[in-house]
Amino acid sequence: KAGVTQTPRYLIKTRGQQVTLSCSPISGHRSVSWYQQTPGQGLQFLFEYFSETQRNKGNFPGRFSGRQFSNSRSEMNVSTLELGDSALYLCASSLGSAEQYFGPGTRLTVT
Amino acid sequence: KNEVEQSPQNLTAQEGEFITINCSYSVGISALHWLQQHPGGGIVSLFMLSSGKKKHGRLIATINIQEKHSSLHITASHPRDSAVYICAAHSGGGADGLTFGKGTHLIIQP
Repeated sequence: KAGVTQTPRYLIKTRGQQVTLSCSPISGHRSVSWYQQTPGQGLQFLFEYFSETQRNKGNFPGRFSGRQFSNSRSEMNVSTLELGDSALYLCASSLGSAEQYFGPGTRLTVT
Repeated sequence: KNEVEQSPQNLTAQEGEFITINCSYSVGISALHWLQQHPGGGIVSLFMLSSGKKKHGRLIATINIQEKHSSLHITASHPRDSAVYICAAHSGGGADGLTFGKGTHLIIQP
């Protein structure tokens, strides 16, 4: 069974731009969660989608948004990028509230 | 909001030693996860547990719900166990998703 895939793996953007990251879950998994990892704050929960509906949301500004499609693929968008948005963005899929399987991450650098 | 604390932050040990990493949380949870992260960022889920004890190979995870505490043990440690180990609490039913500890950076020297 193929694992969780994320694209792109690396991305460099400039302040003020917007970015869209993509996550394809394991086949059959309907839950996709997104996380941000920075050296200062560690891992933080962004949001969770289940069957195209946002089920949970972390404490991030409205510039961070996401969506899930009918095939369970998910995208997250960050608008008006700031230097502090530089991070590793991870997504994870699961069957529901079960064990999560993480993707390799997208490393975003904002200059 | 759940607070998750891990100890120690850094641990260096010799190959073959028995390793223990601790995790405590402040609010009742539905599940606790132990994750392993190697250099480069990839995260692997090691255990998800809500009670008792689980074992997989040389790894053992325990949880004490009453004391809000979990431990990850590695028996007969090996240099390939060198990684960052992260515990994460899932409160369940709320709006918080997973709350993560800061991680334990483990180095096993040959």
